[in-house]
Amino acid sequence: GQQLNQSPQSMFIQEGEDVSMNCTSSSIFNTWLWYKQEPGEGPVLLIALYKAGELTSNGRLTAQFGITRKDSFLNISASIPSDVGIYFCAGQGLSDTGNQFYFGTGTSLTVIP
Amino acid sequence: KAGVTQTPRYLIKTRGQQVTLSCSPISGHRSVSWYQQTPGQGLQFLFEYFSETQRNKGNFPGRFSGRQFSNSRSEMNVSTLELGDSALYLCASQRGSPNTGELFFGEGSRLTVL
Repeated sequence: GQQLNQSPQSMFIQEGEDVSMNCTSSSIFNTWLWYKQEPGEGPVLLIALYKAGELTSNGRLTAQFGITRKDSFLNISASIPSDVGIYFCAGQGLSDTGNQFYFGTGTSLTVIP
Repeated sequence: KAGVTQTPRYLIKTRGQQVTLSCSPISGHRSVSWYQQTPGQGLQFLFEYFSETQRNKGNFPGRFSGRQFSNSRSEMNVSTLELGDSALYLCASQRGSPNTGELFFGEGSRLTVL
């Protein structure tokens, strides 16, 4: 099935640094969701976005719904070791087969203490 | 409030066997969808259910099937297991009709096929 383009694939950063990642799609989406997944666990919803241009924060996390509706960004400020995990985006838009969610391939984040 | 509950968490099967996975959505959520997650393919959509009806289906063979009960609980079944079916199977629930609003995942059922 379709997957969103998510970058970077992986990041190795020092504790305290800021992190940025993004997802792009060839299709227009109505909803963007951002998740974090740790080994052996299911994805945990971090932020949900519903309007183009929307900027939403959840603690040190900030996500934006791109104005073209084809992209979204996630920023993590002042990273800490517990931020380690795989972050991925999900987008939902209209399709002939229903409003299916599509997922990014994930960004693996490693935080070096 | 309890989250999405999936059982079993881990299971090992051999080729040719079948498996049934169970999912209980968040209380009040009526939509359930299933995904297969593998390192190489990422999250792949299997199917989704709302009010006991399958509303959408991904591009998987007929060996993969599912159903939803009147209490919104859902099961998925994989018959004639193949090695390539080894994966983390994730269930997700939403409050209303499919793909409206936030999608909440369970912890998954990790299937290993030997």
